[in-house]
Amino acid sequence: EAGVAQSPRYKIIEKRQSVAFWCNPISGHATLYWYQQILGQGPKLLIQFQNNGVVDDSQLPKDRFSAERLKGVDSTLKIQPAKLEDSAVYLCASSLSRDSSYGYTFGSGTRLTVV
Amino acid sequence: KQEVTQIPAALSVPEGENLVLNCSFTDSAIYNLQWFRQDPGKGLTSLLLIQSSQREQTSGRLNASLDKSSGRSTLYIAASQPGDSATYLCAVRDSNYQLIWGAGTKLIIKP
Repeated sequence: EAGVAQSPRYKIIEKRQSVAFWCNPISGHATLYWYQQILGQGPKLLIQFQNNGVVDDSQLPKDRFSAERLKGVDSTLKIQPAKLEDSAVYLCASSLSRDSSYGYTFGSGTRLTVV
Repeated sequence: KQEVTQIPAALSVPEGENLVLNCSFTDSAIYNLQWFRQDPGKGLTSLLLIQSSQREQTSGRLNASLDKSSGRSTLYIAASQPGDSATYLCAVRDSNYQLIWGAGTKLIIKP
């Protein structure tokens, strides 16, 4: 089966600019996650979708970050305006369901550098 | 609040050695525990998933164990190779369906 697809792989922007990331989960996976991983740390959950509804966005900086999952498949994560501290790898993951016992599959990530 | 700790933060061993990576968690009420590998600048690759009712899982040269009562998991790598060099992360899924992550162990296998 195809894995979780993410694009772009790399992005460099200036602070205060906007940026968007795209994720296509594994076909049939109802649950989709966006994580932020700062160098040397474990991933931090930003937002979790179940189909096209938000389950958990408690750690999403909503003043600058937004995410949507139209039709319960693809998802986009946007940052506007970006800050220097947003430099990180943004990981998308999917699982069969929220209470899946099958684990999580991650994409290759998008490395964002804010200068 | 669940906390996951991985010790050591970094490990360097000669090629061919067997090694153990450690993961500890504070709350034994977990659904499962997953070990991941991360190569520099890349995403996460799932290695092994252990359900809460299981004691261990094996895949090739990798063996992961789980002791819920003591809040520990170990990842055993047999006959290490330079290609095993990466950061290894463990994550536990708690009762709120959240993944709680360790900070990882950076492993370097010297040829």
